[in-house]
Amino acid sequence: DTAVSQTPKYLVTQMGNDKSIKCEQNLGHDTMYWYKQDSKKFLKIMFSYNNKELIINETVPNRFSPKSPDKAHLNLHINSLELGDSAVYFCASTGLAGGGETQYFGPGTRLLVL
Amino acid sequence: SQKIEQNSEALNIQEGKTATLTCNYTNYSPAYLQWYRQDPGRGPVFLLLIRENEKEKRKERLKVTFDTTLKQSLFHITASQPADSATYLCALGGDDKIIFGKGTRLHILP
Repeated sequence: DTAVSQTPKYLVTQMGNDKSIKCEQNLGHDTMYWYKQDSKKFLKIMFSYNNKELIINETVPNRFSPKSPDKAHLNLHINSLELGDSAVYFCASTGLAGGGETQYFGPGTRLLVL
Repeated sequence: SQKIEQNSEALNIQEGKTATLTCNYTNYSPAYLQWYRQDPGRGPVFLLLIRENEKEKRKERLKVTFDTTLKQSLFHITASQPADSATYLCALGGDDKIIFGKGTRLHILP
């Protein structure tokens, strides 16, 4: 059973296009996140949603718009894609493990903007 | 601004030895610190969490220490195996946010 799933796994597109990435978690968690991992491997938080409400928005261009139709889903829509958007995007949800809050990550979506 | 540094980009360790990875941070007082493992092409996987009032945590061959005075955590893998080769990420959490280090790529040489 996949805990946090993302689609698509790979996304190759032209500059200027609009694309969406979908994320679903079946863990019953209330909080979900989007992270961006660039070529230097830094994992940076972009957004956090708690029970469908936006909690964190970390200075992300407004071309990126998250949408949470319910607490099990957090989708990411990107308008007017730019070369610098090429990265791996990870969805995650938060649960309790090891004595505190931990992140459960999806497999990632590899976005390449040409 | 808050900063996390993991001491080396890559670390080579002979199989059977203890691998020690370092995580240093500045301008932050985290409520807890976590270590994750990331394999190529996959998302990070949680390994261990240690709270600010804890000095040491163990799980099987893994040991984490947390020194809030030095603002440092050490992550040890004892009796290392080639299967332990991966990137290990340190993360600091608290106040409803979490920040990740860049990671250390660990290679266990057979």
